[in-house]
Amino acid sequence: KNEVEQSPQNLTAQEGEFITINCSYSVGISALHWLQQHPGGGIVSLFMLSSGKKKHGRLIATINIQEKHSSLHITASHPRDSAVYICAVRSRATSGSRLTFGEGTQLTVNP
Amino acid sequence: DAGITQSPRYKITETGRQVTLMCHQTWSHSYMFWYRQDLGHGLRLIYYSAAADITDKGEVPDGYVVSRSKTENFPLTLESATRSQTSVYFCASSEGDTPSAFTDTQYFGPGTRLTVL
Repeated sequence: KNEVEQSPQNLTAQEGEFITINCSYSVGISALHWLQQHPGGGIVSLFMLSSGKKKHGRLIATINIQEKHSSLHITASHPRDSAVYICAVRSRATSGSRLTFGEGTQLTVNP
Repeated sequence: DAGITQSPRYKITETGRQVTLMCHQTWSHSYMFWYRQDLGHGLRLIYYSAAADITDKGEVPDGYVVSRSKTENFPLTLESATRSQTSVYFCASSEGDTPSAFTDTQYFGPGTRLTVL
C-alpha cells in the first residue's frame, strides 16, 4: 500500500461542476502539497498545507491532520482545469526529508 | 530568462551509454531536486542538494550520479544507461535553507523525456 493514496484516479466533469479530489496518507506529516501537471507535462505547485484550509481563486485545499486526509476542490470547473492533480506529503519520520507523491488524479473537464 | 530550465527536453540513447541531463535555475535557490516520473509510481526522488557541493540520496539513487559545483546548476548523470531508466525526469528547486526546504514550494522544470533503447 502506497503511503499516499489519491482518489479518484480519473475524473470527468462537465464545465461548471464542483470537483473534489481526495488524498489520504498513512504517515505523520509536517506538510502536504497539491501540484498540477499540465497536459504538456509541466508541474506547478498549487498549495502547501500544514493545517486548515487555503483558497486561491477557484481552488480550495483542506487538510484534516487527525484523519490523515486532504481534499482539493475546484469550483465552477472549466476545461482549462483539465490536468493531473498530484498530492505529496513530507513525512515527519523521514530525516533529510523527501516528498512522497501520490500517483495523481487525471481530471478532464468537458465544455 | 528567469526560472528553471532543463536540457535536453528529449533524449534517445542506447543501453550502456553515459547520459547527462542538465538543470539550471536563476533564482539562487538553495535546494535542488531530481525526480523521475513513471506510470504506476508517481514522482520519485532520485537525489537532492541543499547547497553547492552538498548532495544526498533520495528514494531511487542507484545508477545515477549528481554534482553541484555551482548553486545554479544540478546535472544528473546516468553512468551506464539501462532500459529501466527510461522515464521522464524533472528537476525542481526550492528556496528553503533548512529541513523546512521540503515544506517550501518547489518549482519544477519542464522535464526531460529519456528513452533508453
